[in-house]
Amino acid sequence: DAGITQSPRHKVTETGTPVTLRCHQTENHRYMYWYRQDPGHGLRLIHYSYGVKDTDKGEVSDGYSVSRSKTEDFLLTLESATSSQTSVYFCRTGSQNTEAFFGQGTRLTVV
Amino acid sequence: GESVGLHLPTLSVQEGDNSIINCAYSNSASDYFIWYKQESGKGPQFIIDIRSNMDKRQGQRVTVLLNKTVKHLSLQIAATQPGDSAVYFCAERSGAQKLVFGQGTRLTINP
Repeated sequence: DAGITQSPRHKVTETGTPVTLRCHQTENHRYMYWYRQDPGHGLRLIHYSYGVKDTDKGEVSDGYSVSRSKTEDFLLTLESATSSQTSVYFCRTGSQNTEAFFGQGTRLTVV
Repeated sequence: GESVGLHLPTLSVQEGDNSIINCAYSNSASDYFIWYKQESGKGPQFIIDIRSNMDKRQGQRVTVLLNKTVKHLSLQIAATQPGDSAVYFCAERSGAQKLVFGQGTRLTINP
């Protein structure tokens, strides 16, 4: 897992509630990413970070925000969860010219 | 575990046989490619990578071939084992740390 920990691993929440997922890395990688994985869509990029306090949107960023206050942590927040955000979320880290490693995923269910 | 794709291409091989999984990529300017393995309920696991200045790279029981002329990538797994059963997908790096992922192929190893 290359030192990547996602928490929580599973979460059930109600529509309209805020949810924060955490990705923690121990490899000091500069880049961190959040993806969602859904049947028929594969992995889709939500947001990514290229350094502390430096973030940018991915292809499916609506309804999500991120923060990176230190190198090792990248937080994904759903401000007001909707059923369409039920998914499996993966964090990835990377460095220029190295392999990209994923966390084990967080299964989020919005009811 | 969750499904990573409802209608993925599938490949079934006999245990001990070799398997070849193919991937077409989209960007002729992509400079780096990765193959991942994803088992049910787990995050994508790095298998092998290759840079665009190479056409072949070998690992333990796996070989990746890159044909830039036709934008084609393949993963060869030698002497398949039951533990090789998983979804395999490729990724291409098409710009500063941006990976684009394929949908994947489900490999089933028959005893």
